[in-house]
Amino acid sequence: AAGVIQSPRHLIKEKRETATLKCYPIPRHDTVYWYQQGPGQDPQFLISFYEKMQSDKGSIPDRFSAQQFSDYHSELNMSSLELGDSALYFCASSLPTGSPLHFGNGTRLTVT
Amino acid sequence: KQEVTQIPAALSVPEGENLVLNCSFTDSAIYNLQWFRQDPGKGLTSLLLIQSSQREQTSGRLNASLDKSSGRSTLYIAASQPGDSATYLCAVRLLMDTGRRALTFGSGTRLQVQP
Repeated sequence: AAGVIQSPRHLIKEKRETATLKCYPIPRHDTVYWYQQGPGQDPQFLISFYEKMQSDKGSIPDRFSAQQFSDYHSELNMSSLELGDSALYFCASSLPTGSPLHFGNGTRLTVT
Repeated sequence: KQEVTQIPAALSVPEGENLVLNCSFTDSAIYNLQWFRQDPGKGLTSLLLIQSSQREQTSGRLNASLDKSSGRSTLYIAASQPGDSATYLCAVRLLMDTGRRALTFGSGTRLQVQP
């Protein structure tokens, strides 16, 4: 069965650079979520989209932005990267409310 | 603000033991609760989803229960195997107007099953 696809798997950037993470949800899933998981921490919700519109906003810094495109894939754009942005970034998708969230394998971002 | 707590933080058991992982949450107005498994450096694999109207869900050797009124859920793993070694996370979804509120995660229980 198709799963949530994230790219790239690994990304190394320097401070103050920008990064773009991509997420391709499971087909027919209409909601996409982004999470950030720091080392040894639980996943923290950043932002979600439903039918290409922003649905909920969590602890996403102003330096980050995200959008969902007409084909339902989503991109997380991160600017002015800081060392503290080094983390695993997960994307998840789901069907309408009440359905389980399915997570991708994540993008490991390292900021040096 | 919903807070999710998992106890214990870490657990080491010999192979074959039955074990219980605990999850508690502060806001009982939840829509559903989901248990995940995470291997080191990997993504989250959904194990079980319990809707707020349900009391338990079972999948193979796993059984998850939900007591919404007391704000508790347990994940029971029967006849544990070394392959069960991973971090287990519970996550709750609040009942909100939008109905699409994201999950709030606990910090997880790191399980080690010794062969």
